Amino acid sequence: GQNIDQPTEMTATEGAIVQINCTYQTSGFNGLFWYQQHAGEAPTFLSYNVLDGLEEKGRFSSFLSRSKGYSYLLLKELQMKDSASYLCAASDSNYQLIWGAGTKLIIKP
Amino acid sequence: ETGVTQTPRHLVMGMTNKKSLKCEQHLGHNAMYWYKQSAKKPLELMFVYSLEERVENNSVPSRFSPECPNSSHLFLHLHTLQPEDSALYLCASSQDLAGEGNEQYFGPGTRLTVT
Repeated sequence: GQNIDQPTEMTATEGAIVQINCTYQTSGFNGLFWYQQHAGEAPTFLSYNVLDGLEEKGRFSSFLSRSKGYSYLLLKELQMKDSASYLCAASDSNYQLIWGAGTKLIIKP
Repeated sequence: ETGVTQTPRHLVMGMTNKKSLKCEQHLGHNAMYWYKQSAKKPLELMFVYSLEERVENNSVPSRFSPECPNSSHLFLHLHTLQPEDSALYLCASSQDLAGEGNEQYFGPGTRLTVT
């Protein structure tokens, strides 16, 4: 079957770095998305990876290893506003997104 | 209006009621989606429309009925719902079908409570 695994919750300190991991199993693969969702709000797009390697976008970076079925989202210089849920989603052979349950990130001062 | 809008934002309905959720996208996108989001569960894709044609129906009960009259509007008609249908219903759009590097843009959602 198709499956996405990511940790349920993580805690980090303001100013620090945190890495949120995601493993996926899909029928075919057409890329990996990361979204951010603040409580009570809509998910917003953060990144897309389809080739192996690291994509950097300001304080956020996303990494993909297709052979390992693995991705991570790296957040640097954490700010209180980064407290949110981070959703990992893999695109399968039909371009349908398979979603993880999300990782709730708690930032402490 | 910009982006993706949804109305109503909150809805409480009884099991015998009929109601509709509305979604409108102002982005010129060709694909639109309905998702169900329940607490601590992955987003569940319900329906996908591409150029106003339904391309995906993920075994959704018939008490949910989608309608896409044009590429900018999407409706979800609800009737005889069950309490377990209470959830956040999210609408999204993308330039084309998701997966070709086309990220989805989400509306704020409708918080539905079935009593």
